[in-house]
Amino acid sequence: QQQVKQSPQSLIVQKGGIPIINCAYENTAFDYFPWYQQFPGKGPALLIAIRPDVSEKKEGRFTISFNKSAKQFSLHIMDSQPGDSATYFCAASYSGAGSYQLTFGKGTKLSVIP
Amino acid sequence: DGGITQSPKYLFRKEGQNVTLSCEQNLNHDAMYWYRQDPGQGLRLIYYSQIVNDFQKGDIAEGYSVSREKKESFPLTVTSAQKNPTAFYLCASSMSPENYGYTFGSGTRLTVV
Repeated sequence: QQQVKQSPQSLIVQKGGIPIINCAYENTAFDYFPWYQQFPGKGPALLIAIRPDVSEKKEGRFTISFNKSAKQFSLHIMDSQPGDSATYFCAASYSGAGSYQLTFGKGTKLSVIP
Repeated sequence: DGGITQSPKYLFRKEGQNVTLSCEQNLNHDAMYWYRQDPGQGLRLIYYSQIVNDFQKGDIAEGYSVSREKKESFPLTVTSAQKNPTAFYLCASSMSPENYGYTFGSGTRLTVV
Protein backbone atom coordinates (compact mmCIF):
# COMPACT_ATOMS: atom_id res chain seq x y z
CA GLN A 1 0.00 0.00 0.00
CA GLN A 2 1.75 3.13 -1.23
CA GLN A 3 -0.83 5.78 -0.39
CA VAL A 4 -0.22 8.78 1.81
CA LYS A 5 -3.41 10.43 3.06
CA GLN A 6 -3.23 14.14 3.85
CA SER A 7 -5.75 16.34 5.63
CA PRO A 8 -7.26 18.86 5.61
CA GLN A 9 -7.53 19.79 1.96
CA SER A 10 -7.60 23.48 2.87
CA LEU A 11 -6.98 25.48 5.99
CA ILE A 12 -7.51 29.10 6.96
CA VAL A 13 -5.88 30.56 10.07
CA GLN A 14 -5.28 34.02 11.41
CA LYS A 15 -1.81 35.48 11.64
CA GLY A 16 -0.05 34.11 14.70
CA GLY A 17 -2.12 30.93 14.75
CA ILE A 18 -0.67 27.41 14.59
CA PRO A 19 -1.94 25.51 11.55
CA ILE A 20 -1.56 21.73 11.76
CA ILE A 21 -1.51 19.49 8.70
CA ASN A 22 -1.78 15.74 9.15
CA CYS A 23 -0.64 12.78 7.09
CA ALA A 24 -1.13 9.04 7.50
CA TYR A 25 0.53 6.15 5.74
CA GLU A 26 0.13 2.38 5.53
CA ASN A 27 3.49 1.11 4.28
CA THR A 28 5.65 0.39 7.34
CA ALA A 29 8.71 0.24 5.09
CA PHE A 30 8.62 4.01 4.60
CA ASP A 31 11.69 5.55 6.23
CA TYR A 32 11.81 9.14 5.04
CA PHE A 33 9.06 11.73 5.48
CA PRO A 34 9.57 15.16 3.89
CA TRP A 35 7.29 18.15 3.66
CA TYR A 36 7.24 20.43 0.63
CA GLN A 37 5.99 24.00 0.32
CA GLN A 38 4.66 25.28 -2.98
CA PHE A 39 3.77 28.87 -3.89
CA PRO A 40 1.43 29.53 -6.84
CA GLY A 41 3.12 29.08 -10.21
CA LYS A 42 6.28 27.64 -8.65
CA GLY A 43 7.68 24.19 -8.06
CA PRO A 44 7.54 22.65 -4.58
CA ALA A 45 10.54 23.21 -2.34
CA LEU A 46 11.73 20.95 0.47
CA LEU A 47 10.74 22.48 3.80
CA ILE A 48 11.67 19.92 6.45
CA ALA A 49 12.06 16.15 6.66
CA ILE A 50 12.16 13.47 9.35
CA ARG A 51 13.20 9.84 9.67
CA PRO A 52 11.39 7.35 11.96
CA ASP A 53 14.14 7.22 14.59
CA VAL A 54 13.01 10.58 16.02
CA SER A 55 9.56 11.74 17.16
CA GLU A 56 9.97 15.44 16.49
CA LYS A 57 12.09 17.77 14.40
CA LYS A 58 12.13 21.58 14.45
CA GLU A 59 13.48 23.99 11.88
CA GLY A 60 12.65 27.57 12.71
CA ARG A 61 8.88 27.93 12.99
CA PHE A 62 8.22 24.55 11.33
CA THR A 63 7.93 21.34 13.35
CA ILE A 64 7.29 17.77 12.26
CA SER A 65 5.75 15.42 14.81
CA PHE A 66 6.06 11.73 14.01
CA ASN A 67 4.08 8.87 15.57
CA LYS A 68 5.50 5.60 14.32
CA SER A 69 2.98 3.33 16.05
CA ALA A 70 0.05 5.26 14.62
CA LYS A 71 1.75 5.66 11.22
CA GLN A 72 1.03 9.36 11.27
CA PHE A 73 3.06 12.53 10.98
CA SER A 74 2.10 16.17 11.06
CA LEU A 75 3.42 19.62 10.27
CA HIS A 76 2.95 22.49 12.73
CA ILE A 77 3.69 26.08 11.79
CA MET A 78 4.31 28.29 14.81
CA ASP A 79 3.39 31.99 14.73
CA SER A 80 2.08 31.67 11.18
CA GLN A 81 2.49 34.64 8.83
CA PRO A 82 0.69 35.67 5.64
CA GLY A 83 3.88 34.76 3.78
CA ASP A 84 3.32 31.13 4.84
CA SER A 85 0.22 31.01 2.62
CA ALA A 86 1.02 28.20 0.20
CA THR A 87 0.19 24.60 -0.60
CA TYR A 88 1.92 22.03 1.58
CA PHE A 89 2.58 18.44 0.55
CA CYS A 90 3.64 15.60 2.78
CA ALA A 91 5.48 12.68 1.24
CA ALA A 92 7.07 9.36 2.12
CA SER A 93 9.61 7.00 0.64
CA TYR A 94 11.56 3.86 1.45
CA SER A 95 15.05 2.69 0.58
CA GLY A 96 14.22 -0.89 -0.35
CA ALA A 97 15.27 -2.34 -3.71
CA GLY A 98 17.10 0.85 -4.67
CA SER A 99 13.85 2.75 -4.89
CA TYR A 100 13.82 6.35 -3.85
CA GLN A 101 10.55 7.50 -5.24
CA LEU A 102 8.44 9.80 -3.14
CA THR A 103 4.74 9.12 -2.63
CA PHE A 104 2.96 12.44 -2.15
CA GLY A 105 -0.17 13.39 -0.29
CA LYS A 106 -2.74 15.44 -2.22
CA GLY A 107 -1.76 18.71 -0.62
CA THR A 108 -3.19 21.27 1.81
CA LYS A 109 -3.82 24.82 0.73
CA LEU A 110 -3.02 27.08 3.67
CA SER A 111 -4.23 30.67 3.87
CA VAL A 112 -2.96 32.87 6.69
CA ILE A 113 -5.07 35.99 7.01
CA PRO A 114 -3.69 39.17 8.58
CA ASP B 1 24.02 28.04 -9.22
CA GLY B 2 22.92 24.42 -9.30
CA GLY B 3 19.32 23.67 -10.06
CA ILE B 4 16.71 22.42 -12.46
CA THR B 5 15.59 24.44 -15.44
CA GLN B 6 12.26 23.81 -17.09
CA SER B 7 11.29 25.45 -20.33
CA PRO B 8 9.16 26.95 -21.57
CA LYS B 9 7.26 28.40 -18.62
CA TYR B 10 4.05 28.56 -20.66
CA LEU B 11 3.16 26.38 -23.64
CA PHE B 12 0.11 26.29 -25.85
CA ARG B 13 -0.80 23.22 -27.85
CA LYS B 14 -3.28 22.80 -30.63
CA GLU B 15 -5.46 19.71 -30.79
CA GLY B 16 -3.57 16.80 -32.37
CA GLN B 17 -0.11 18.28 -31.83
CA ASN B 18 2.81 16.75 -29.99
CA VAL B 19 4.78 19.09 -27.75
CA THR B 20 8.02 18.59 -25.84
CA LEU B 21 8.77 20.04 -22.43
CA SER B 22 12.41 20.54 -21.54
CA CYS B 23 14.05 19.67 -18.20
CA GLU B 24 17.75 20.18 -17.55
CA GLN B 25 19.63 19.79 -14.25
CA ASN B 26 23.19 20.62 -13.27
CA LEU B 27 23.05 19.02 -9.83
CA ASN B 28 24.68 15.77 -10.95
CA HIS B 29 21.59 13.93 -9.71
CA ASP B 30 21.10 10.36 -10.85
CA ALA B 31 17.31 10.24 -10.85
CA MET B 32 14.83 12.48 -12.64
CA TYR B 33 11.04 12.58 -12.54
CA TRP B 34 8.07 14.12 -14.30
CA TYR B 35 4.90 14.98 -12.40
CA ARG B 36 1.58 16.37 -13.49
CA GLN B 37 -0.31 18.69 -11.14
CA ASP B 38 -4.02 19.38 -11.39
CA PRO B 39 -6.06 21.34 -8.84
CA GLY B 40 -7.06 19.14 -5.91
CA GLN B 41 -5.20 16.10 -7.25
CA GLY B 42 -1.75 16.65 -5.87
CA LEU B 43 1.30 15.44 -7.76
CA ARG B 44 0.91 12.46 -10.05
CA LEU B 45 3.97 10.66 -11.39
CA ILE B 46 4.20 10.37 -15.17
CA TYR B 47 7.66 8.89 -15.76
CA TYR B 48 10.91 8.54 -13.88
CA SER B 49 14.49 7.61 -14.70
CA GLN B 50 17.16 6.39 -12.32
CA ILE B 51 20.01 6.14 -14.84
CA VAL B 52 20.83 7.24 -18.36
CA ASN B 53 19.08 5.30 -21.14
CA ASP B 54 16.58 3.81 -18.71
CA PHE B 55 13.18 5.04 -17.58
CA GLN B 56 10.02 3.65 -16.05
CA LYS B 57 6.33 4.46 -16.33
CA GLY B 58 4.65 6.13 -13.41
CA ASP B 59 0.98 6.17 -12.51
CA ILE B 60 -0.28 8.16 -15.51
CA ALA B 61 2.13 7.45 -18.38
CA GLU B 62 -0.48 7.02 -21.13
CA GLY B 63 -0.16 9.71 -23.78
CA TYR B 64 3.34 10.73 -22.68
CA SER B 65 6.86 9.73 -23.70
CA VAL B 66 10.34 10.51 -22.38
CA SER B 67 13.99 9.96 -23.17
CA ARG B 68 17.14 10.03 -21.03
CA GLU B 69 20.10 10.23 -23.39
CA LYS B 70 22.13 12.42 -21.04
CA LYS B 71 22.31 12.51 -17.25
CA GLU B 72 21.46 16.21 -17.27
CA SER B 73 18.38 16.06 -19.50
CA PHE B 74 14.96 14.40 -19.26
CA PRO B 75 12.53 15.83 -21.85
CA LEU B 76 8.83 14.97 -21.76
CA THR B 77 6.73 14.73 -24.91
CA VAL B 78 2.99 15.18 -24.57
CA THR B 79 1.53 13.32 -27.52
CA SER B 80 -1.78 13.75 -29.27
CA ALA B 81 -2.90 10.55 -27.51
CA GLN B 82 -3.10 12.48 -24.23
CA LYS B 83 -6.71 13.59 -24.26
CA ASN B 84 -6.60 16.08 -21.43
CA PRO B 85 -3.11 17.58 -21.41
CA THR B 86 -3.92 20.96 -19.87
CA ALA B 87 -2.02 20.96 -16.57
CA PHE B 88 1.02 22.19 -14.69
CA TYR B 89 4.02 19.92 -15.33
CA LEU B 90 6.85 19.60 -12.85
CA CYS B 91 10.26 18.04 -13.32
CA ALA B 92 12.32 16.92 -10.33
CA SER B 93 15.64 15.25 -9.63
CA SER B 94 17.28 13.48 -6.71
CA MET B 95 20.58 11.94 -5.74
CA SER B 96 21.33 8.32 -4.94
CA PRO B 97 19.23 6.41 -2.37
CA GLU B 98 21.28 7.88 0.50
CA ASN B 99 19.63 11.23 -0.11
CA TYR B 100 15.96 11.14 -0.99
CA GLY B 101 15.20 14.80 -1.22
CA TYR B 102 13.79 16.04 -4.49
CA THR B 103 14.70 19.29 -6.18
CA PHE B 104 11.89 20.59 -8.35
CA GLY B 105 11.95 22.87 -11.35
CA SER B 106 9.65 25.86 -11.59
CA GLY B 107 7.19 24.08 -13.86
CA THR B 108 5.64 24.41 -17.30
CA ARG B 109 1.99 25.30 -17.69
CA LEU B 110 0.58 23.60 -20.76
CA THR B 111 -2.72 24.74 -22.23
CA VAL B 112 -4.63 23.21 -25.13
CA VAL B 113 -6.09 25.82 -27.46
